Amino acid sequence: GENVEQHPSTLSVQEGDSAVIKCTYSDSASNYFPWYKQELGKGPQLIIDIRSNVGEKKDQRIAVTLNKTAKHFSLHITETQPEDSAVYFCAATHPGRRALTFGSGTRLQVQP
Amino acid sequence: EAGVTQSPTHLIKTRGQQATLRCSPISGHTSVYWYQQALGLGLQFLLWYDEGEERNRGNFPPRFSGRQFPNYSSELNVNALELEDSALYLCASSRTGTSLATNEKLLFGSGTQLSVL
Repeated sequence: GENVEQHPSTLSVQEGDSAVIKCTYSDSASNYFPWYKQELGKGPQLIIDIRSNVGEKKDQRIAVTLNKTAKHFSLHITETQPEDSAVYFCAATHPGRRALTFGSGTRLQVQP
Repeated sequence: EAGVTQSPTHLIKTRGQQATLRCSPISGHTSVYWYQQALGLGLQFLLWYDEGEERNRGNFPPRFSGRQFPNYSSELNVNALELEDSALYLCASSRTGTSLATNEKLLFGSGTQLSVL
């Protein structure tokens, strides 16, 4: 089955710096890669996603890049703010699968 | 538009008891997914219901079961509770008949925190 690895497990940055979280997946048939943000005491919130027909997608300060050849995708957050502090999860799936497979999560802390 | 709602928010049980968790999907969504999030761990897929039927289950024992009602709400039942069942149980929903991989999105509720003592 699919295996998604996520790095780093924790990331601390200064406010205003950029943060990058990386994920690799094992199933070459995977073609949908969402990213979720989970704040303390809340459920995961979908923040951005990418499908394999594009290599990059951007939404304000957040961007995701996808390299299908290398089977990895990354989340980029620019100009980080304290409210970006949360746990971020990557995930992957493909048409033959009926659920998302999640990475183990990255705890991002933005220091004011 | 209301999001995915789950109840109760917190649930405390003792070992050997049964727990029932409930989920109401977003209006218009007919697929419901259940995930388990143990402390410090990622999200593990439990069950997927679509149009009232169980479509897929993750690598969990049979004492984890559930159902989906005609109004598309869902119930997760955990029998013979064990200490390691303590976790946040998350419900998510999406539209039916379409694939997450093509054009749909999975949206989560806030979860039920189950504590087994």
